[in-house]
Amino acid sequence: RKEVEQDPGPFNVPEGATVAFNCTYSNSASQSFFWYRQDCRKEPKLLMSVYSSGNEDGRFTAQLNRASQYISLLIRDSKLSDSATYLCVVNNGNEKLTFGTGTRLTIIP
Amino acid sequence: EPEVTQTPSHQVTQMGQEVILRCVPISNHLYFYWYRQILGQKVEFLVSFYNNEISEKSEIFDDQFSVERPDGSNFTLKIRSTKLEDSAMYFCASRQEGSAGELFFGEGSRLTVL
Repeated sequence: RKEVEQDPGPFNVPEGATVAFNCTYSNSASQSFFWYRQDCRKEPKLLMSVYSSGNEDGRFTAQLNRASQYISLLIRDSKLSDSATYLCVVNNGNEKLTFGTGTRLTIIP
Repeated sequence: EPEVTQTPSHQVTQMGQEVILRCVPISNHLYFYWYRQILGQKVEFLVSFYNNEISEKSEIFDDQFSVERPDGSNFTLKIRSTKLEDSAMYFCASRQEGSAGELFFGEGSRLTVL
């Protein structure tokens, strides 16, 4: 089983719609969780950390379900600029971040 | 806004040659990393560096790889004898004290081994 698993997509979503991605992780001892975004041929950029109680940052909401070992990202009122690959990232308490392969999102005008 | 800078942006080399990729992390950051991403694949951890020594490395980071912080600003990745499969985008990253997951990445150095 992959350490971090994501649906690669692509998700093609009309502007203004709500879209959600899930990610599962295999190590139950994983300690911290993040969503990064990566534009085509660019570097990953931190979008948000994911906290146990769930957290929101503007149009973005992240949730963590430790029992089921999954993390979700919800994007409301999607914008054209949200088009990117969204990377689910897990840390097991050491210096290494484990990245998923990413979910590609395209927002359609 | 402070940023991580990397040079070169693209390097083409022959198999067996040595390559040095350079990074200038954000000035008040203490933890430094190299990651790589083969085209179409996921971002993979190579090595972390703190307090002038390697703190962790992956199975990919074998004897062909080394890192150095030769002065107060640069952080380099050396590949001694490049292989075809070393072709990838190499990202340098840095962070402050605190969350190990909140990294700032450079724009990457694309390495093509022929």
